[in-house]
Amino acid sequence: EAGVAQSPRYKIIEKRQSVAFWCNPISGHATLYWYQQILGQGPKLLIQFQNNGVVDDSQLPKDRFSAERLKGVDSTLKIQPAKLEDSAVYLCASSLEPGGAYNEQFFGPGTRLTVL
Amino acid sequence: DAKTTQPNSMESNEEEPVHLPCNHSTISGTDYIHWYRQLPSQGPEYVIHGLTSNVNNRMASLAIAEDRKSSTLILHRATLRDAAVYYCILRDALAGGTSYGKLTFGQGTILTVHP
Repeated sequence: EAGVAQSPRYKIIEKRQSVAFWCNPISGHATLYWYQQILGQGPKLLIQFQNNGVVDDSQLPKDRFSAERLKGVDSTLKIQPAKLEDSAVYLCASSLEPGGAYNEQFFGPGTRLTVL
Repeated sequence: DAKTTQPNSMESNEEEPVHLPCNHSTISGTDYIHWYRQLPSQGPEYVIHGLTSNVNNRMASLAIAEDRKSSTLILHRATLRDAAVYYCILRDALAGGTSYGKLTFGQGTILTVHP
């Protein structure tokens, strides 16, 4: 079974530039998550999609971050303009359904962003 | 979200058992205890979860205290590949709205395995 795919794996940009990350979840997974992981910390949820709709984007800095999920499958996360503090690993995860007792989230390898 | 407390780091020798503790004194009746781990340069991966009874799977065992205020992840024979950050997470199975399916990661325990 193919896992969660993310690209690019690495990106280096200068502050005030824009950047986009792409995620392809596991086939059939209705729920998609974007996390931000700053060095030395655990992942922090930025946004959660259920099919096409947003379930939770309370921690997404909406003045600079945006995300969309096309046709309930692939997703892109964009940062415009980037700040130094956006340097982090951006992880995409997916799950069959969000709720219930068992909800294994499958994570992609992440995109490491460095903002200079 | 209910909080968990884990030691910052632990060390083990290869082929020895490892017991990773987690305290969750404010756990509610509908909170499941989930463990994920993150190997170097990879995304987190699911390890195990439980509610009240001890659980075993091919990766690990989860021992849950009778009052559910603490739990222990047990790796029966540590290998070098088990070196990772281990996260103990409480997840409300009945939460709706913006908490629906949410996993809130703490800083986890860095496990070092010595050959």
